[in-house]
Parts: sequence; C-alpha cells; structure tokens
Amino acid sequence: AQSVTQLGSHVSVSEGALVLLRCNYSSSVPPYLFWYVQYPNQGLQLLLKYTTGATLVKGINGFEAEFKKSETSFHLTKPSAHMSDAAEYFCAADTGRRALTFGSGTRLQVQP
Amino acid sequence: ETGVTQTPRHLVMGMTNKKSLKCEQHLGHNAMYWYKQSAKKPLELMFVYNFKEQTENNSVPSRFSPECPNSSHLFLHLHTLQPEDSALYLCASSQDGGKQLFFGSGTQLSVL
Repeated sequence: AQSVTQLGSHVSVSEGALVLLRCNYSSSVPPYLFWYVQYPNQGLQLLLKYTTGATLVKGINGFEAEFKKSETSFHLTKPSAHMSDAAEYFCAADTGRRALTFGSGTRLQVQP
Repeated sequence: ETGVTQTPRHLVMGMTNKKSLKCEQHLGHNAMYWYKQSAKKPLELMFVYNFKEQTENNSVPSRFSPECPNSSHLFLHLHTLQPEDSALYLCASSQDGGKQLFFGSGTQLSVL
C-alpha cells in the first residue's frame, strides 16, 4: 500500500490565483516530509521539507506547506501562481526505508 | 559542474542490446540511488548504495545490473530489456543516507 497519496494528478489555476496541492501520508510514517518539483526534461529539486519544529515550512519560489498531524496532511500552497510554476510536484515521506517514498505526482498548469 | 550528472540524456535501444547509464555526483555524498519514473506512476526506487555497498534492491529484474565503483559514480547496466522498461531513469545522491535527495536530470530510455 502506498504511504503517500497526492490528491489530483492534474491541477489547473489561473495566473495570480492560489495554488493548493494536496498530500496525505499514512499515519505510520515518521513525520519527515518533503515536496519536490520537476520541470520538463529535468530531475527533481527540493522545494521544502519538514523534519521537526515549526509546522509551517517555507520553501523556495514562494511555496510553503503546513504539517497537520491530526489530518495526516502536508499540503503545498502558494498565494499567487506564476507561469513559471507550471511543473510536476511530488510529495515524499520518510517511511523508514533507506530512501524516500514518493507520491504519484501532481501536474500543475498555470493559465494566463 | 552540476551536483549530479547523468549520461546519456536520451537512449534508444533494441531488446537485444547492451547499454549502460552513468551517474556522477560532485557533492561529496556517500549514498547513491537509482529511481525509475514511468508515466502516471510514483517514482520507483530500484537500488541504493551506501559507501559503495548495495543496501537495497527493490526486487528489480536481473536485466538491470547496478555497479558502484566508488562513492561518486554509479552505473546501471542494461541488457535484454523489454519495451515496458522504457522510462526516465533518475539517479540521486544524499549524505549519510539522509532523506534529502539531490537528483540528476535523468536518462530517457526507449526500448524498441
């Protein structure tokens, strides 16, 4: 069973609109959580990560995510979308294995 | 030099060919990983090497053969592949098995 679930394989927003990408993890997963972004023809790069401490995590390019233990969620948000944000976004979790477990990804489209 | 370099960027091979993918990291990390990225599927962890020792083989078919001669280089040797093996193969590295991964741009493999 997959430990990380991303709701919505495609999300489309207008430029300037709020971006919300959803991620839920299984409750048995230790709370090390990550968001990665993949631009076309590139590998994944880290947007932000949660390990311990403050539950609201700020990342690069204006993105942030909030760890909510009660909801087992780690949703990614950005107040105002830019065209350059169009990419695929992956949520990942430390499941205690040697490497991260990734969600299926959400492709973000930004309409002008 | 980017942190993690993969060559070639694109590879087309027949089912009877033998080819190799190469990954080199310039970050001084001691753990390296191969992931497979297929359309509409989560990233699949294939192999993990820590200090040149293979620490995880995620039930990968024997037609994929990894090699890690030192902490900076990782190879994936391919032979008698199947069309369903067509995918983007991503290499990543991390420090001390930490969960923040640094990815290369990948090799887009097509098996005819």
